[in-house]
Amino acid sequence: GENVEQHPSTLSVQEGDSAVIKCTYSDSASNYFPWYKQELGKGPQLIIDIRSNVGEKKDQRIAVTLNKTAKHFSLHITETQPEDSAVYFCAAKGSGRGGADGLTFGKGTHLIIQP
Amino acid sequence: ETGVTQTPRHLVMGMTNKKSLKCEQHLGHNAMYWYKQSAKKPLELMFVYNFKEQTENNSVPSRFSPECPNSSHLFLHLHTLQPEDSALYLCASSQDLVNEQFFGPGTRLTVL
Repeated sequence: GENVEQHPSTLSVQEGDSAVIKCTYSDSASNYFPWYKQELGKGPQLIIDIRSNVGEKKDQRIAVTLNKTAKHFSLHITETQPEDSAVYFCAAKGSGRGGADGLTFGKGTHLIIQP
Repeated sequence: ETGVTQTPRHLVMGMTNKKSLKCEQHLGHNAMYWYKQSAKKPLELMFVYNFKEQTENNSVPSRFSPECPNSSHLFLHLHTLQPEDSALYLCASSQDLVNEQFFGPGTRLTVL
């Protein structure tokens, strides 16, 4: 099945700086890669996603890049703000067993924005 | 709010109890999911339902029993759980099996 590795597990950046979180996946047939943000006491919220037919997608301060050849994708947050502090999860949708229907998640990155 | 609600938000139960978790989505989606989130582990997919039919059971022990009476409701019936089953149980829904999943706030389960 699919295996997703996520790094780093904790990332501390100064307010206003950029943050980058990286993930690798194992199933070359995976075709959907969402990123979720989880705040304390809440469920994960989708912040951006990318499909395998594009290499980059941007939404205001958030961008995601995908390298299918290397099987890795990254989340980039620019001009970080205190409200960006949360745990971020990457995920991949595999294609096993005729199309695995759920998401395989990374272990998460605790992003801390220092004022 | 994501349009996915879960009740109860917190549950404490003994190992011999029987309880149920409930999930409801108000998004008109056809697919619903149960995930388990334990400390220091990735979210683990448990079950997938599409149009009320179970499409995936990710080797979950039989002490967890899902039920999907319609596309808007999903239950997780619990019996004779173990302390290691203590976790946050998250429900999600999506329009179909290829589109983005929306998560509920989760049920924090503690097994004594």
